[in-house]
Order: sequence, then structure tokens, then C-alpha cells
Amino acid sequence: DAGVIQSPRHEVTEMGQEVTLRCKPISGHNSLFWYRQTMMRGLELLIYFNNNVPIDDSGMPEDRFSAKMPNASFSTLKIQPSEPRDSAVYFCASGLADNSPLHFGNGTRLTVT
Amino acid sequence: AQTVTQSQPEMSVQEAETVTLSCTYDTSENNYYLFWYKQPPSRQMILVIRQEAYKQQNATENRFSVNFQKAAKSFSLKISDSQLGDTAMYFCAFKGTSGSRLTFGEGTQLTVNP
Repeated sequence: DAGVIQSPRHEVTEMGQEVTLRCKPISGHNSLFWYRQTMMRGLELLIYFNNNVPIDDSGMPEDRFSAKMPNASFSTLKIQPSEPRDSAVYFCASGLADNSPLHFGNGTRLTVT
Repeated sequence: AQTVTQSQPEMSVQEAETVTLSCTYDTSENNYYLFWYKQPPSRQMILVIRQEAYKQQNATENRFSVNFQKAAKSFSLKISDSQLGDTAMYFCAFKGTSGSRLTFGEGTQLTVNP
């Protein structure tokens, strides 16, 4: 299996622009997570899906952030409009709703100037 | 809500020596799962070891082992015969049975010196 695939690996954009991050989970996994990592706040859970349904989005910072999972093999995290404070590494992870660990993608490093 | 605390922001160890990273957590659940992840400079998150709370025996994976103290809610990671490639950020993580989410600690930056 190719693992969790995220794209792009790096994204540099200007403040006010829309940013879309993409994730393909491991086939067969029924849970998908979006995490954000910063030096100040560490790893924060933004949102997670079970069977394509959003379960908990309490970690989404504000209305500028939205996430979708239209099918079992694809998810997006969108920021519109982006701000410099959104600069971080965004991880997607997938897993099963049991005791198995999460598998992480390589992350997208977002820089908003 | 569960919380995970790693009280050592940074640690260093000499190559071939042993080092222990600390982790404590807080939960009202009786059964749950604990993990250690490693994040090298490549930023990839790599699973190191996992422990199920209902198992009394401490998990071991080659040079990595844990000291799981359920009553104390402590879950430390011991790395034996440290290697330069062990240099990374290490995260302790908690997963309850009531959901599939992982809650992470703040991380400990480990540096292995030659």
C-alpha cells in the first residue's frame, strides 16, 4: 500500500488566497483525520471523519476552514481566505475505529505571506 | 476530555546509551490505547510502539520499550543502545475506546550525540 498520500507537499500563497489541501487515505480505512502542527501549539486535531461523515469539527479554528470527504478515498481541507497565522504543517491521517494506530501522510507545509 | 503531558521539551543522550522519555495522561476511561510516534526532520510521523491498557505486560519493539504504570497514568519510552538515527521529536499519544481520535502530547525533542 502506498500509505496516506497528501498533496501538495509545499504550498506558498499570499494572504487572502484560497488554499486547498488534498488527502487520499489508505484503502479500507474508515476514519480520516486532519491535524495541524505548529511550534506554538503542537499537533492539533482540526476535524475527523468516520465513514465519510464529519464526527467532530470542534478543532476547526474558524469559518475560514472547511473540510469535505466526498468519498472513502478522498478528502480536502480548504482555507478561504488564508491568513499568515494559518502557516503550519497540515497532516492527514487515516485509520480504523479500533485499537489500531493512525497512519500519517507526509504533511503539507503551508506558508501564507 | 483526555490530556497528554510530556514534561521534557528536550533531551540528549550519547550514542549507545539508554534514554527514557516521560509521558503522563489523564482519562476517566478504563480501557484505552497508548502510542509513541517519532517525527524525524523529514517530518514524517512514524509509529514506534503501542500499548493496550488492559495488558499488564509492557510492550517491546527491538530497542524500544515502555514502562506502563496504569495506576499512575504514566507511559514512558525507553530507548536502549541509542543510535544517531533516533534523533527526532517523540510524541506520546492517547486513543480512547469511545472514539478513534488520537490526542497528542507536546513532544520531546531527542538528540543523540556521537
